[in-house]
Amino acid sequence: DAGITQSPRHKVTETGTPVTLRCHQTENHRYMYWYRQDPGHGLRLIHYSYGVKDTDKGEVSDGYSVSRSKTEDFLLTLESATSSQTSVYFCAISPGGGRADTQYFGPGTRLTVL
Amino acid sequence: AQKVTQAQTEISVVEKEDVTLDCVYETRDTTYYLFWYKQPPSGELVFLIRRNSFDEQNEISGRYSWNFQKSTSSFNFTITASQVVDSAVYFCAFFPNAGNNRKLIWGLGTSLAVNP
Repeated sequence: DAGITQSPRHKVTETGTPVTLRCHQTENHRYMYWYRQDPGHGLRLIHYSYGVKDTDKGEVSDGYSVSRSKTEDFLLTLESATSSQTSVYFCAISPGGGRADTQYFGPGTRLTVL
Repeated sequence: AQKVTQAQTEISVVEKEDVTLDCVYETRDTTYYLFWYKQPPSGELVFLIRRNSFDEQNEISGRYSWNFQKSTSSFNFTITASQVVDSAVYFCAFFPNAGNNRKLIWGLGTSLAVNP
């Protein structure tokens, strides 16, 4: 199994507070992704990174920012959490390269915004 | 537009039955990859298989088998002699291999319940 950890695993916060989720990998993979999973919507890409300090938006990026200062860490920040951001957040990694490759997922973070 | 459709939202079977999960995709790309992932009740997402669009050979792994038919744009997943531990949500996903797009396109999943 790919070495991916997410922290925290569970978090309850209040509307308007900032929240940062961390994804850490030990595989030295180039690509890292943040998804959210909601009933009826499946998995939706928030942001992804294709290298240190290189990031791009996914389909649901509004209200989220990311940073990647080291290969192994990819942070997702909710600047001012809203109840609509209550979700399960998954980090994924893939090695990258010249061909499509498999994304491997972390265990997920369950975020509740009250 | 590229899209993945898993028409079966929920399936319920009795243990030892065979079950097929359907996946249909839409694309104009000539090269692409297809994936299946499993999400058991514990919540993690587990990679099952990746298939290149050039390789239409069916694949079998134990009780799992996959039928890729490019002519019908389908990549169906069959579990033979299902077991309670197979209960999970199964996702099909599509990866366009053109350009720098690194975004997986996901189906909404099929929830499989295997009852004893």
